[in-house]
Amino acid sequence: QVHLVESGGDVVQPGRSLTLSCAASGFDVTDYAMHWVRQAPGKGLEWVALIWSDGTRKYYPDSVKGRFTISRDTSKNAVYLHMNSLRVDDTAIYYCAKDETGAYNFLDDWGKGTLVSVS
Amino acid sequence: SYELTQSPPVSVALGQTATITCGGVNIGDKNVHWYQQRPGQAPVVVMYRDYKRPSGIPERFSGSNSGNTATLTISAAQVGDEADYYCQVWDRTTVFFGGGTKLTVL
Repeated sequence: QVHLVESGGDVVQPGRSLTLSCAASGFDVTDYAMHWVRQAPGKGLEWVALIWSDGTRKYYPDSVKGRFTISRDTSKNAVYLHMNSLRVDDTAIYYCAKDETGAYNFLDDWGKGTLVSVS
Repeated sequence: SYELTQSPPVSVALGQTATITCGGVNIGDKNVHWYQQRPGQAPVVVMYRDYKRPSGIPERFSGSNSGNTATLTISAAQVGDEADYYCQVWDRTTVFFGGGTKLTVL
């Protein structure tokens, strides 16, 4: 059974850095693309990062490009989101999600999220 | 950038049909996926690749996609269907979500 558990959310000051972790179980992160999606309080979903199943490609929207980096540790079956130069508008619940396949499909499993508050 | 425009909040009587739309330029050429998000919970996919239902999703949920509009239809709406619904597509190497539509079942 697929299980995703995010951690690392915290209250941080603007301009600081933070790393989120996503522990995966029930599947290998090397077999699926992995995403981070965030949701600001009372707002909709915003995709923020993707790493391909083979780890060779990583993509980001313009809103976080150059500030956020997605990575993974296959030995721990985990995915990470490294966030630099945090801004107040980065405040959100951050979800880790698994792609149906290697990439370019739907997000078929989600974690419960971890809250990042920048203030 | 690719913009997805979802319909405004929808209210439907118990047992009636709710229709939620997602507009985008030539969205009919893309695969559209739909997520349901109940309050305080993570999103769950309820429709993928336009009209395919994941296991466990009732047949009351159906989807279509043509031209510039994709549609999620919920027949015989139940109180448990109350949630925010989001459409999602890929455009090149970017994932886009619609702004969401809140469904209320009266």
